[in-house]
Amino acid sequence: DAKTTQPPSMDCAEGRAANLPCNHSTISGNEYVYWYRQIHSQGPQYIIHGLKNNETNEMASLIITEDRKSSTLILPHATLRDTAVYYCIVTGANSKLTFGKGITLSVRP
Amino acid sequence: DTAVSQTPKYLVTQMGNDKSIKCEQNLGHDTMYWYKQDSKKFLKIMFSYNNKELIINETVPNRFSPKSPDKAHLNLHINSLELGDSAVYFCASSQERGNYGYTFGSGTRLTVV
Repeated sequence: DAKTTQPPSMDCAEGRAANLPCNHSTISGNEYVYWYRQIHSQGPQYIIHGLKNNETNEMASLIITEDRKSSTLILPHATLRDTAVYYCIVTGANSKLTFGKGITLSVRP
Repeated sequence: DTAVSQTPKYLVTQMGNDKSIKCEQNLGHDTMYWYKQDSKKFLKIMFSYNNKELIINETVPNRFSPKSPDKAHLNLHINSLELGDSAVYFCASSQERGNYGYTFGSGTRLTVV
């Protein structure tokens, strides 16, 4: 009962923007889009989340389409340390975080 | 200062033994979680406590028993360990049941031999 669909992998060049797509066509009106990442052998790390509006913080930007059926996580200047598995998660307030397979981002020198 | 700390980091034990993993958070969060990541890298929630009260209990064998002495600690005790229990166990915490994101620990790699 996956709520999100992500490509299995992608790569980008160091210093370039990494745009990670996510489809969540069955998202409900009160559900948020969260992004986490897991760098090899470490615990998952919260990146950003949003409901309707685009969001930006020191790590990334989150662009949510107007119909909320898809979103894109943007890492503006990818570095080698951004190589990780990125998880797009849709969940309601006060609901548990359920991880899917995520997308493996490889940043090449 | 480590926000969410787990001990031990590595645990190797024989089948049938009983072991515990400890977790502490110093973020003042009110909710704590245990996740299991198996060899296929899937992360699955096991338990969640909010202010020492169990609020999530996924389909986990009774051999797994969480204990929360206070809202800063959530320990995981495992009885009669089996080979299939080998995995990385992550503790996490959040405020207001995760509306502002979870903070995860660095994990405990459990190997049952």
